[in-house]
Amino acid sequence: SQTIHQWPATLVQPVGSPLSLECTVEGTSNPNLYWYRQAAGRGLQLLFYSVGIGQISSEVPQNLSASRPQDRQFILSSKKLLLSDSGFYLCAWSFGRYTEAFFGQGTRLTVV
Amino acid sequence: GQQLNQSPQSMFIQEGEDVSMNCTSSSIFNTWLWYKQEPGEGPVLLIALYKAGELTSNGRLTAQFGITRKDSFLNISASIPSDVGIYFCAAQGAQKLVFGQGTRLTINP
Repeated sequence: SQTIHQWPATLVQPVGSPLSLECTVEGTSNPNLYWYRQAAGRGLQLLFYSVGIGQISSEVPQNLSASRPQDRQFILSSKKLLLSDSGFYLCAWSFGRYTEAFFGQGTRLTVV
Repeated sequence: GQQLNQSPQSMFIQEGEDVSMNCTSSSIFNTWLWYKQEPGEGPVLLIALYKAGELTSNGRLTAQFGITRKDSFLNISASIPSDVGIYFCAAQGAQKLVFGQGTRLTINP
């Protein structure tokens, strides 16, 4: 069966520090991968999605970047965090087009 | 861009009541999904719909994929306290999954 791992679960970082959140999927190959951000009590905003290694699509201009160095690994990064980067970050995967997506447990990021 | 309009934003009901929520869009989608999210956790898939007009049940939950492919609804019958949470609709467009803003369900025992 397929599983998705996302870490860390919580993170407190100072403004201006770098960020690296990692997500890995097991039990499948060539998944579609997604990064979402959720503000408190709000909906999910799609940040990046990837349909293959090295293929990244960005949905909104921001202080973040994403990379997919391996088939089942998706990384969310920032060189210098802003206060506005605080939020709940969720990684998800799907088999491909028009299929359901499955989420990791999320990372609560607080920038101080 | 593709957007989903989910309503209502919140619901306050008595235990045992039925619940209904829906999502609409101006875009056509090939897949509609319904998720539930509890505090501090990722959304969990409840129901997936793949065909226009499809009606699918999962226990006390029933969801339908609108015939125009632009909308979907979710019903919960005989609500219980563990139904509390935020429910999201989602739809698959061209390679990406978009979400509604969620319906926060609160149940008074």
